[in-house]
Amino acid sequence: QVQLQESGPGLVKPSETLSLTCTVSGASITSYYWSWIRQPPGAGLEWIAYLYYSGSNNYNPALKSRVTISLDTSKNQFSLKLTSVTAADTAMYYCASPSKDGYKYAFDMWGQGTMVTVSS
Amino acid sequence: QSVLTQPPSVSGAPGQRVTISCTGSSSNLGAGYSVHWFQQLPGTAPKLLIYGNTNRPSGVPDRFSGSKSGTSASLAITGLQAEDEADYYCLSYDTSLSGVFGAGTKVTVV
Repeated sequence: QVQLQESGPGLVKPSETLSLTCTVSGASITSYYWSWIRQPPGAGLEWIAYLYYSGSNNYNPALKSRVTISLDTSKNQFSLKLTSVTAADTAMYYCASPSKDGYKYAFDMWGQGTMVTVSS
Repeated sequence: QSVLTQPPSVSGAPGQRVTISCTGSSSNLGAGYSVHWFQQLPGTAPKLLIYGNTNRPSGVPDRFSGSKSGTSASLAITGLQAEDEADYYCLSYDTSLSGVFGAGTKVTVV
């Protein structure tokens, strides 16, 4: 069974960089497309970006200028960096992946999420 | 405001059938891109209910079904149960926005 676990600081100061890691167990990080998704408190879901080990990637245009995603195959992890954060970046951040071939956005594997608050 | 429009809420009595619409445009659903549906219970991560417009992952009850036509898609829940009370989101690909979620629909079992 594939498990995803997000980790990272729960509190980030405005203008700083948010850094999160998703550790994958039960599957190789080279097997699937890996996405980050976020959900502000009381609001809906927002897809951030995906990455495949081959380098194939895609970003939400609204966040692209501030987002970096990467894979660490040696640790079976993938990461998110979001620069110049503001209060609007306060959200639950999920890592997720689709196991269905041909469906990059059919996320059937999810982490439990990690809450990140942007505040001084 | 999302490019995929969902009703904010729908409600139904136990045993009834409810539908949730997801209306897009020629840059997403109308362009032939698949729609996926997720259920989010309070305090939990979303769960995939329907993928590729009509397909149910294993373990999802057949009370849940999906359809798509042109620029619109729908999720139907038949035989509504108390445990179906949750938020539901559609998701598709948009040629300008990449992956995009609908704003979500709260289903209430009255």
